[in-house]
Amino acid sequence: QQPVQSPQAVILREGEDAVINCSSSKALYSVHWYRQKHGEAPVFLMILLKGGEQKGHDKISASFNEKKQQSSLYLTASQLSYSGTYFCGLNNAGNMLTFGGGTRLMVKP
Amino acid sequence: DGGITQSPKYLFRKEGQNVTLSCEQNLNHDAMYWYRQDPGQGLRLIYYSQIVNDFQKGDIAEGYSVSREKKESFPLTVTSAQKNPTAFYLCASSIALGQGAQYFGPGTRLTVL
Repeated sequence: QQPVQSPQAVILREGEDAVINCSSSKALYSVHWYRQKHGEAPVFLMILLKGGEQKGHDKISASFNEKKQQSSLYLTASQLSYSGTYFCGLNNAGNMLTFGGGTRLMVKP
Repeated sequence: DGGITQSPKYLFRKEGQNVTLSCEQNLNHDAMYWYRQDPGQGLRLIYYSQIVNDFQKGDIAEGYSVSREKKESFPLTVTSAQKNPTAFYLCASSIALGQGAQYFGPGTRLTVL
C-alpha cells in the first residue's frame, strides 16, 4: 500500500520553513527521502532506520517515528534550490521501497 | 566517475513494437531496479534484481521483461502487451537489495505514437 504524503503541494518564500509528512499503515523498517527536479532523476537525500533516529543534510533534516509509523522531513530557511518534488520511500521489511505520491515544493524569491 | 547511465533519453514507439531501454551502472552494486513514473505521480516498481541471472517481478510487471546477464547491465523491454507504455522510466541501483540508498539514472521518456 502506497505511503501517504502530506501536504501534496506547498509554496514558500525564500527563508521560510516547511514540513513534509509521510505515513504508512504498515510497520516500518526504514525510510528514504528523495528530491526530484522536473524531468530529472530523483536524488537521494537521506535514510532513516528503525530506532527513531533523526538525520540532517545541510538545512534539511528528518525524523522517524516508528511507533506512529511515520516520518517527517524538515526544510529550514528554504532556498530556491529546494524547489522540486519530494518523495518518501518506505521499506516495510520486504527489502523493496514503496514510494509516496510526492510533495511538490516551490520556493519563490 | 561512478554512476548509472540510461539510453536513449527519448524513445518513440509505434503501437505493436517491442522496445528495449538500456541501463548500465559502474558502482559495483548488486541490486538493480526499474521504475515507471507517470506525470505527477510517484514511482512504481516494475522489476528488480538482487544478483546476476536473478530477477523478480515488482508491482506492475505485466507487459515488461528484463534480463540480468552482467552485474553492470539491466535492460528493460517494453513489449506490445503493455497497453499504456507512455511514461518516464527510471533505472536505479543499490549496494544490495534493500540496503543503502538507491541511485537513479537520468531516465528514458517513452512515447507511443
